[in-house]
Amino acid sequence: DIVMNQSPLSLPVTPGEPASISCRSSQSLLHIYGYICLDWYLQKPGQSPQILIYLGSNRASGVPDRFSGSGSGTDFTLKISRVEAEDVGVYYCMQSLQSPRTFGQGTKLEIK
Amino acid sequence: QVQLQESGPGLVKPSDTLSLTCTVSGGSISNYYWTWIRQPPGKGLLLVAHIYYDGSSYYNPSLKSRVTISVDTSKNQISLRLNSVTAADTAVYYCARFARVEVASNSYYYMDVWGKGTTVTVSS
Repeated sequence: DIVMNQSPLSLPVTPGEPASISCRSSQSLLHIYGYICLDWYLQKPGQSPQILIYLGSNRASGVPDRFSGSGSGTDFTLKISRVEAEDVGVYYCMQSLQSPRTFGQGTKLEIK
Repeated sequence: QVQLQESGPGLVKPSDTLSLTCTVSGGSISNYYWTWIRQPPGKGLLLVAHIYYDGSSYYNPSLKSRVTISVDTSKNQISLRLNSVTAADTAVYYCARFARVEVASNSYYYMDVWGKGTTVTVSS
């Protein structure tokens, strides 16, 4: 299985400040057709996960443009340009290159 | 707007079989992949299995010998059965739909709709 590692595991952020989450995969997530097979999900407290980013950098419908995804090969980043209170929760990266799809351990974002 | 609702027994005894149902409302099961994902208390996410509406399925190798996923298009339901459960199977079980996008003449899938989840505890 492809192993996904996120850092940090805990991320306290002041509202209005930027935040960045790193995700590293044990092998390249570049598909032979040239696209990145990585998604980002957010699980808000007491809720089920929701899609934020797919194909490494495509925002899902309804996701604010303060969220952005980037990266290549085995190193990926989720950035929030200005954190808001509603962004608290656990962020997961997930690879979809190989079955079984595998998730990172999660990064818990909290407001300072 | 498509909604997913998981249902199940809540409490299952060790060595018994766990049966869960995901009911899809506001849309059709047809032409989509569907998946079950579980989350043990305080832990991360694990994809258990997924199935296409025509019945073709995939199982996580770590659970393959104990899991069966099925679809009932007449009832708009996806079901999961997990045999010989142990305490390690205690988790919130989520049902989710895969959305499809076309990229580079290929199809890419991501989970765009999730149910609220159902909690399963394995205990005597």
